[in-house]
Amino acid sequence: AQSVTQLGSHVSVSEGALVLLRCNYSSSVPPYLFWYVQYPNQGLQLLLKYTSAATLVKGINGFEAEFKKSETSFHLTKPSAHMSDAAEYFCAVAFLTADKLIFGTGTRLQVFP
Amino acid sequence: DVKVTQSSRYLVKRTGEKVFLECVQDMDHENMFWYRQDPGLGLRLIYFSYDVKMKEKGDIPEGYSVSREKKERFSLILESASTNQTSMYLCASSSSGENTGELFFGEGSRLTVL
Repeated sequence: AQSVTQLGSHVSVSEGALVLLRCNYSSSVPPYLFWYVQYPNQGLQLLLKYTSAATLVKGINGFEAEFKKSETSFHLTKPSAHMSDAAEYFCAVAFLTADKLIFGTGTRLQVFP
Repeated sequence: DVKVTQSSRYLVKRTGEKVFLECVQDMDHENMFWYRQDPGLGLRLIYFSYDVKMKEKGDIPEGYSVSREKKERFSLILESASTNQTSMYLCASSSSGENTGELFFGEGSRLTVL
Protein backbone atom coordinates (compact mmCIF):
# COMPACT_ATOMS: atom_id res chain seq x y z
CA ALA A 1 0.00 0.00 0.00
CA GLN A 2 1.12 3.52 -0.67
CA SER A 3 1.96 5.48 2.45
CA VAL A 4 4.02 8.23 3.98
CA THR A 5 5.98 8.07 7.25
CA GLN A 6 7.30 10.93 9.32
CA LEU A 7 10.02 9.87 11.73
CA GLY A 8 9.76 11.64 15.06
CA SER A 9 6.56 13.21 16.32
CA HIS A 10 8.54 15.91 18.17
CA VAL A 11 11.79 17.62 17.25
CA SER A 12 13.49 20.24 19.41
CA VAL A 13 16.30 22.52 18.26
CA SER A 14 18.02 25.64 19.51
CA GLU A 15 17.57 28.90 17.68
CA GLY A 16 20.19 29.06 14.92
CA ALA A 17 20.61 25.29 14.71
CA LEU A 18 19.93 23.10 11.70
CA VAL A 19 16.38 21.85 11.29
CA LEU A 20 15.91 18.35 9.83
CA LEU A 21 12.45 16.80 9.60
CA ARG A 22 12.27 13.35 8.06
CA CYS A 23 9.76 11.97 5.58
CA ASN A 24 9.77 8.63 3.78
CA TYR A 25 7.21 7.29 1.37
CA SER A 26 6.42 3.93 -0.11
CA SER A 27 5.30 3.75 -3.70
CA SER A 28 5.90 1.82 -6.87
CA VAL A 29 5.21 4.88 -9.01
CA PRO A 30 6.80 8.33 -8.87
CA PRO A 31 4.92 10.42 -6.36
CA TYR A 32 4.07 14.04 -5.93
CA LEU A 33 5.50 15.21 -2.60
CA PHE A 34 4.58 18.13 -0.39
CA TRP A 35 5.42 19.71 2.93
CA TYR A 36 2.77 21.69 4.76
CA VAL A 37 3.10 23.76 7.94
CA GLN A 38 0.47 24.43 10.59
CA TYR A 39 1.00 27.29 13.02
CA PRO A 40 -0.96 27.23 16.29
CA ASN A 41 -4.71 27.65 15.85
CA GLN A 42 -4.45 27.89 12.09
CA GLY A 43 -5.07 25.71 9.08
CA LEU A 44 -2.25 24.20 7.05
CA GLN A 45 -0.35 26.10 4.40
CA LEU A 46 1.92 24.84 1.66
CA LEU A 47 5.63 25.09 2.37
CA LEU A 48 6.95 23.46 -0.80
CA LYS A 49 6.20 20.75 -3.34
CA TYR A 50 8.10 18.35 -5.57
CA THR A 51 6.66 17.52 -8.96
CA SER A 52 9.73 16.02 -10.73
CA ALA A 53 11.12 19.28 -12.17
CA ALA A 54 14.12 19.35 -9.79
CA THR A 55 15.20 17.12 -6.92
CA LEU A 56 16.08 20.03 -4.62
CA VAL A 57 13.03 22.13 -3.93
CA LYS A 58 13.10 25.53 -2.24
CA GLY A 59 10.10 26.69 -0.27
CA ILE A 60 9.00 29.61 1.81
CA ASN A 61 10.73 30.88 4.96
CA GLY A 62 14.13 29.41 4.01
CA PHE A 63 13.03 25.77 4.00
CA GLU A 64 14.06 23.29 1.35
CA ALA A 65 13.65 19.58 0.70
CA GLU A 66 15.50 17.07 -1.42
CA PHE A 67 13.85 14.20 -3.24
CA LYS A 68 16.00 11.07 -3.07
CA LYS A 69 14.48 8.28 -5.09
CA SER A 70 17.01 5.66 -3.94
CA GLU A 71 16.08 6.34 -0.32
CA THR A 72 12.38 7.06 -1.00
CA SER A 73 12.81 10.16 1.13
CA PHE A 74 11.84 13.83 1.04
CA HIS A 75 13.40 15.32 4.16
CA LEU A 76 12.81 18.97 5.05
CA THR A 77 15.71 21.15 6.14
CA LYS A 78 16.49 24.69 7.18
CA PRO A 79 20.07 25.77 7.92
CA SER A 80 19.23 28.04 10.85
CA ALA A 81 16.09 27.74 12.97
CA HIS A 82 14.13 30.77 14.06
CA MET A 83 11.70 31.02 16.94
CA SER A 84 8.92 31.68 14.43
CA ASP A 85 9.49 28.24 12.87
CA ALA A 86 7.83 26.55 15.85
CA ALA A 87 4.86 24.75 14.33
CA GLU A 88 3.66 21.34 13.21
CA TYR A 89 4.95 20.10 9.88
CA PHE A 90 3.21 17.57 7.69
CA CYS A 91 4.66 15.63 4.80
CA ALA A 92 2.12 14.62 2.17
CA VAL A 93 2.25 12.43 -0.90
CA ALA A 94 0.01 11.88 -3.89
CA PHE A 95 0.18 9.19 -6.51
CA LEU A 96 -0.87 9.12 -10.16
CA THR A 97 -2.65 12.46 -9.77
CA ALA A 98 -1.84 15.23 -7.36
CA ASP A 99 -5.46 15.76 -6.38
CA LYS A 100 -5.74 13.38 -3.47
CA LEU A 101 -3.08 13.75 -0.81
CA ILE A 102 -2.09 11.29 1.87
CA PHE A 103 -0.71 13.06 4.93
CA GLY A 104 1.86 11.86 7.42
CA THR A 105 1.18 12.01 11.14
CA GLY A 106 3.07 15.27 11.58
CA THR A 107 6.19 16.47 13.40
CA ARG A 108 5.96 19.19 16.00
CA LEU A 109 9.01 21.46 15.90
CA GLN A 110 10.03 23.32 19.04
CA VAL A 111 12.67 26.03 18.90
CA PHE A 112 14.45 27.03 22.09
CA PRO A 113 16.25 30.35 22.59
CA ASP B 1 -6.53 37.64 -0.21
CA VAL B 2 -7.68 34.14 -1.15
CA LYS B 3 -9.66 32.37 1.47
CA VAL B 4 -11.30 29.21 2.70
CA THR B 5 -13.80 30.04 5.40
CA GLN B 6 -15.26 27.55 7.83
CA SER B 7 -18.45 28.69 9.48
CA SER B 8 -17.67 27.76 13.08
CA ARG B 9 -14.33 27.62 14.88
CA TYR B 10 -15.72 25.85 17.94
CA LEU B 11 -18.84 23.74 18.39
CA VAL B 12 -20.18 21.69 21.27
CA LYS B 13 -22.93 19.18 20.48
CA ARG B 14 -24.66 16.33 22.23
CA THR B 15 -24.61 12.70 21.19
CA GLY B 16 -27.24 12.02 18.56
CA GLU B 17 -27.52 15.60 17.32
CA LYS B 18 -27.24 16.41 13.64
CA VAL B 19 -24.24 18.61 12.91
CA PHE B 20 -23.52 20.77 9.87
CA LEU B 21 -20.05 22.09 9.13
CA GLU B 22 -19.96 24.64 6.35
CA CYS B 23 -17.04 25.60 4.15
CA VAL B 24 -16.86 28.33 1.52
CA GLN B 25 -13.95 29.17 -0.81
CA ASP B 26 -13.57 32.28 -2.94
CA MET B 27 -10.95 31.00 -5.39
CA ASP B 28 -13.24 29.30 -7.92
CA HIS B 29 -11.55 25.98 -7.15
CA GLU B 30 -12.92 22.78 -8.63
CA ASN B 31 -11.77 20.48 -5.82
CA MET B 32 -12.86 20.58 -2.21
CA PHE B 33 -11.96 18.29 0.68
CA TRP B 34 -12.92 17.52 4.26
CA TYR B 35 -10.27 16.15 6.62
CA ARG B 36 -10.29 15.39 10.29
CA GLN B 37 -7.17 15.96 12.35
CA ASP B 38 -6.41 13.98 15.49
CA PRO B 39 -3.21 13.97 17.57
CA GLY B 40 -0.83 11.26 16.43
CA LEU B 41 -2.96 10.40 13.41
CA GLY B 42 -2.32 13.39 11.19
CA LEU B 43 -4.97 14.34 8.67
CA ARG B 44 -7.39 11.74 7.39
CA LEU B 45 -9.57 12.34 4.36
CA ILE B 46 -13.30 12.01 4.96
CA TYR B 47 -14.84 13.07 1.63
CA PHE B 48 -13.86 15.08 -1.40
CA SER B 49 -15.51 16.59 -4.42
CA TYR B 50 -14.19 17.36 -7.88
CA ASP B 51 -17.23 19.23 -9.09
CA VAL B 52 -20.65 20.48 -8.13
CA LYS B 53 -22.98 17.69 -7.04
CA MET B 54 -20.12 15.19 -7.18
CA LYS B 55 -18.65 13.51 -4.13
CA GLU B 56 -16.27 10.69 -3.42
CA LYS B 57 -15.48 8.81 -0.25
CA GLY B 58 -12.13 9.28 1.35
CA ASP B 59 -10.46 7.00 3.85
CA ILE B 60 -12.89 7.40 6.76
CA PRO B 61 -16.38 8.27 5.41
CA GLU B 62 -18.40 6.24 7.94
CA GLY B 63 -20.75 8.40 9.97
CA TYR B 64 -20.41 11.39 7.63
CA SER B 65 -22.07 12.70 4.50
CA VAL B 66 -21.41 15.77 2.34
CA SER B 67 -23.22 18.16 0.07
CA ARG B 68 -21.94 20.32 -2.76
CA GLU B 69 -24.80 22.23 -4.36
CA LYS B 70 -22.66 25.19 -5.41
CA LYS B 71 -19.05 25.30 -6.58
CA GLU B 72 -17.88 27.48 -3.71
CA ARG B 73 -19.59 25.60 -0.86
CA PHE B 74 -18.90 22.15 0.57
CA SER B 75 -20.78 20.99 3.64
CA LEU B 76 -19.95 18.14 6.00
CA ILE B 77 -22.86 16.52 7.81
CA LEU B 78 -22.82 14.30 10.85
CA GLU B 79 -26.27 12.69 10.82
CA SER B 80 -26.07 11.53 14.43
CA ALA B 81 -23.01 12.80 16.26
CA SER B 82 -21.08 10.41 18.46
CA THR B 83 -18.32 11.04 20.99
CA ASN B 84 -15.70 9.43 18.72
CA GLN B 85 -16.36 12.22 16.22
CA THR B 86 -14.89 14.77 18.61
CA SER B 87 -12.08 16.18 16.52
CA MET B 88 -10.70 19.09 14.52
CA TYR B 89 -12.26 19.27 11.05
CA LEU B 90 -10.37 20.95 8.24
CA CYS B 91 -11.79 22.00 4.91
CA ALA B 92 -9.52 22.55 1.93
CA SER B 93 -9.79 23.45 -1.72
CA SER B 94 -7.54 23.19 -4.74
CA SER B 95 -7.58 23.86 -8.44
CA SER B 96 -7.13 21.28 -11.15
CA GLY B 97 -4.29 21.67 -13.64
CA GLU B 98 -0.64 22.48 -12.93
CA ASN B 99 -1.19 23.70 -9.39
CA THR B 100 -3.14 20.65 -8.40
CA GLY B 101 -2.09 19.26 -5.04
CA GLU B 102 -1.66 22.73 -3.59
CA LEU B 103 -4.39 22.74 -0.98
CA PHE B 104 -5.72 25.88 0.65
CA PHE B 105 -7.05 25.19 4.12
CA GLY B 106 -9.55 26.86 6.36
CA GLU B 107 -8.69 27.52 10.00
CA GLY B 108 -10.57 24.47 11.18
CA SER B 109 -13.67 23.67 13.20
CA ARG B 110 -13.09 22.07 16.57
CA LEU B 111 -16.07 19.86 17.38
CA THR B 112 -16.72 18.43 20.82
CA VAL B 113 -19.48 15.82 21.17
CA LEU B 114 -20.66 15.24 24.73
